[in-house]
Amino acid sequence: DIQMTQSPSSLSASVGDRVTITCRANQGIRNDLGWYQQKPGKAPKRLIYGAENLQGGVPSRFSGSGSGTEFTLTISSLQPEDFATYYCLQHNSYPWTFGQGTNVEMK
Amino acid sequence: QVQLVESGGGVVQPGRSLRLSCAASGFPFSSYGMHWVRQAPGKGLEWVAVIWYDGSNEYYADSVKGRFTISRDNSKNTLYLQMNSLRAEDTAVYYCVRDCSRVDCRDGVLEYWGQGTLVTVSS
Repeated sequence: DIQMTQSPSSLSASVGDRVTITCRANQGIRNDLGWYQQKPGKAPKRLIYGAENLQGGVPSRFSGSGSGTEFTLTISSLQPEDFATYYCLQHNSYPWTFGQGTNVEMK
Repeated sequence: QVQLVESGGGVVQPGRSLRLSCAASGFPFSSYGMHWVRQAPGKGLEWVAVIWYDGSNEYYADSVKGRFTISRDNSKNTLYLQMNSLRAEDTAVYYCVRDCSRVDCRDGVLEYWGQGTLVTVSS
């Protein structure tokens, strides 16, 4: 099975900060990776697909990069509505696997 | 618009069974693979199972293999998850999620999610 290691598990940041979250796969997954945002009590919302493609309607301050085994989600200027938990998902091979999640908290 | 509405959750004793349903609308259900994803209270997301658009293939997480069965009825636009031999660790919100279509995956996977249904396994 493919393991996804997401880091950090949590971070504290202020509005306007640049935030970077990383996911590493223990084997190559091409660009078969998505990023999701989840707020308490809500279903996850897809932000990025195909490692770097921005989901329609998602602000351009979100971006994704990477291929193979290392991937990054960047929020260029953190906004109040961005405080949430973020997950990566590999869909290269079954069983699909999520990263452990990154909780972005207000500093 | 795409709608996925889960139902069938509740409180069940360990060792018993439960069947979840997901009613789909707003898209050609028979053209899309479908997944179940779950989230235990206060924990992260866990992929559970997938069924292909025509029901020809299924895959499961190791944690549920042999106990859970995913199925679908394309005539009713409904996805199911039969959960047997339930354990306390199966307690979670279960989400129904749409895959990409059988002819075009350029827009990626797992874009549309239901609101989830809570399953609590407890004596």
